[in-house]
Amino acid sequence: NAGVTQTPKFQVLKTGQSMTLQCAQDMNHNSMYWYRQDPGMGLRLIYYSASEGTTDKGEVPNGYNVSRLNKREFSLRLESAAPSQTSVYFCASSVEPPTQYFGPGTRLLVL
Amino acid sequence: GQQVMQIPQYQHVQEGEDFTTYCNSSTTLSNIQWYKQRPGGHPVFLIQLVKSGEVKKQKRLTFQFGEAKKNSSLHITATQTTDVGTYFCAGPVKGSNYKLTFGKGTLLTVNP
Repeated sequence: NAGVTQTPKFQVLKTGQSMTLQCAQDMNHNSMYWYRQDPGMGLRLIYYSASEGTTDKGEVPNGYNVSRLNKREFSLRLESAAPSQTSVYFCASSVEPPTQYFGPGTRLLVL
Repeated sequence: GQQVMQIPQYQHVQEGEDFTTYCNSSTTLSNIQWYKQRPGGHPVFLIQLVKSGEVKKQKRLTFQFGEAKKNSSLHITATQTTDVGTYFCAGPVKGSNYKLTFGKGTLLTVNP
């Protein structure tokens, strides 16, 4: 099992560009999450999906959209990237909330 | 809102010394979880504590959940260089079955 996978690993964007971060899990977990991690700020929840077909806002949803494509995949979209969105993004999944299993992360730099 | 605070923010030790990090919640928690993140890596789940006063051990790591279920600690005996990383505690957001509130973590560095 690969666990939770994320693509891309690294990305550089210019302000105003859009991109989608992909996440997939092969553990048959119902719930999936997107976090961002910034120095000194810990992990902050952006969006989560309790089950296939549902999504809900977390602590810092502004500037992001998500899609739960199926049970395995949960994507995060930045429509118009801003320098404040420079961060490390982690996807996570869980079978018995809220114990979570994290992917390797995407390092995003917005210039 | 619910807050989970961790102290210290940083801790540097000599290899072989003990280390403790403390976690305090502003509200009573149904459970508390601990995660470890190696430098450049991702958070990895270590353990979950559920019962008041619970103590669990994993080799040199000892986890405690306070009697009032508002605080927790992680103690590492005789640290090794492999213990380097940031240790996070996390508690469920009140009223949610799905959301966690993470502490900001304690960064442990070990001098060999």
